[in-house]
Amino acid sequence: DTGVSQNPRHKITKRGQNVTFRCDPISEHNRLYWYRQTLGQGPEFLTYFQNEAQLEKSRLLSDRFSAERPKGSFSTLEIQRTEQGDSAMYLCASSFREGEQFFGPGTRLTVL
Amino acid sequence: GESVGLHLPTLSVQEGDNSIINCAYSNSASDYFIWYKQESGKGPQFIIDIRSNMDKRQGQRVTVLLNKTVKHLSLQIAATQPGDSAVYFCAEPTLYTLTFGKGTMLLVSP
Repeated sequence: DTGVSQNPRHKITKRGQNVTFRCDPISEHNRLYWYRQTLGQGPEFLTYFQNEAQLEKSRLLSDRFSAERPKGSFSTLEIQRTEQGDSAMYLCASSFREGEQFFGPGTRLTVL
Repeated sequence: GESVGLHLPTLSVQEGDNSIINCAYSNSASDYFIWYKQESGKGPQFIIDIRSNMDKRQGQRVTVLLNKTVKHLSLQIAATQPGDSAVYFCAEPTLYTLTFGKGTMLLVSP
């Protein structure tokens, strides 16, 4: 399977815990994006990487959120001191140009 | 503010019918749109795109129409099948991201 992969697919955590998600983009794609999606809504942009550089961050990305793409390949999204409002689907996408993005299956986070 | 939005939250059709999903946008400078399909538990999947120099674009069983005068686009699915049941989003690429509307859920009954 050469698509975008995300791990884990599901994560249940207690409020206050830290969580980390991983995204492996399509190998030849230099652009990587993170989105958050809540029930009944479209995905909302969180952050964008071109190679290893984080070029754009949404105001949705509070100080508790941090994303990295250290070698320009896989990326991690960490949420510190999780809150119940962080419960959502976290989607990763990749592309090689502006426009069409290829999405992974998402990581569903539930904060109890 | 600028936005991409949808008219109907849910559309129910019978198998074999044609489906039409609508989307309105507010930025008259928008020049590129993408339709995505999202099945339950999965990430969005590209269906078809259209640039503003076109009024119509056809794919396999899908057609997208763009009316720049009224800032409206639609996705038409011919001979809708149960496998078409999903949430459909129109999205507008900007410099760094895609801006999605709320989505329309398509329910196909056998």
